[in-house]
Amino acid sequence: GENVEQHPSTLSVQEGDSAVIKCTYSDSASNYFPWYKQELGKRPQLIIDIRSNVGEKKDQRIAVTLNKTAKHFSLHITETQPEDSAVYFCAASRQAGNMLTFGGGTRLMVKP
Amino acid sequence: ETGVTQSPTHLIKTRGQQVTLRCSSQSGHNTVSWYQQALGQGPQFIFQYYREEENGRGNFPPRFSGLQFPNYSSELNVNALELDDSALYLCASSPSGRSTGELFFGEGSRLTVL
Repeated sequence: GENVEQHPSTLSVQEGDSAVIKCTYSDSASNYFPWYKQELGKRPQLIIDIRSNVGEKKDQRIAVTLNKTAKHFSLHITETQPEDSAVYFCAASRQAGNMLTFGGGTRLMVKP
Repeated sequence: ETGVTQSPTHLIKTRGQQVTLRCSSQSGHNTVSWYQQALGQGPQFIFQYYREEENGRGNFPPRFSGLQFPNYSSELNVNALELDDSALYLCASSPSGRSTGELFFGEGSRLTVL
């Protein structure tokens, strides 16, 4: 089955700095890679996703890159703000919306 | 539009007991999946239901079972509870079996097994 590794497990940045979270996956058939944000005591919410036919996708301060050959993908957050503080999860699946395998999560702390 | 709702929000059970967790999917969504999230870990896929049929299952034993009803709401049943079953159980719905990809999660049911 699929295995998703996520690093780092915790990340502390100063407000305004950039944050990068990296994930690797094992199943070469995976072609859908979402990122979810989970604030303390709240539900996970999708922030961005990418499919295997695309190498990079941006949405305002958030971007995701995908390297299918190396089987890794990354989340980039620029100009971080205190409200970006949360746990971020990467995930992978063979089909969008189906049987996601999640990474272990990254706790991002943005210091004002 | 009503989001995904789950009940109960918290419950405490003892080893060997049985538990039923409930989920109402978001309006217009016919696919429901269940995830187990242990403390400090990522969610783990349990199973998925599409139009009342199970159409995918993760690495969980048979004592984890589910149902989906004609109104697309769902139940997760766990028999013979073990201490390691203590976790947040998340329900997620999506518009169809082959959707845009986004899962809409509920707030979860936190189960503690003593």
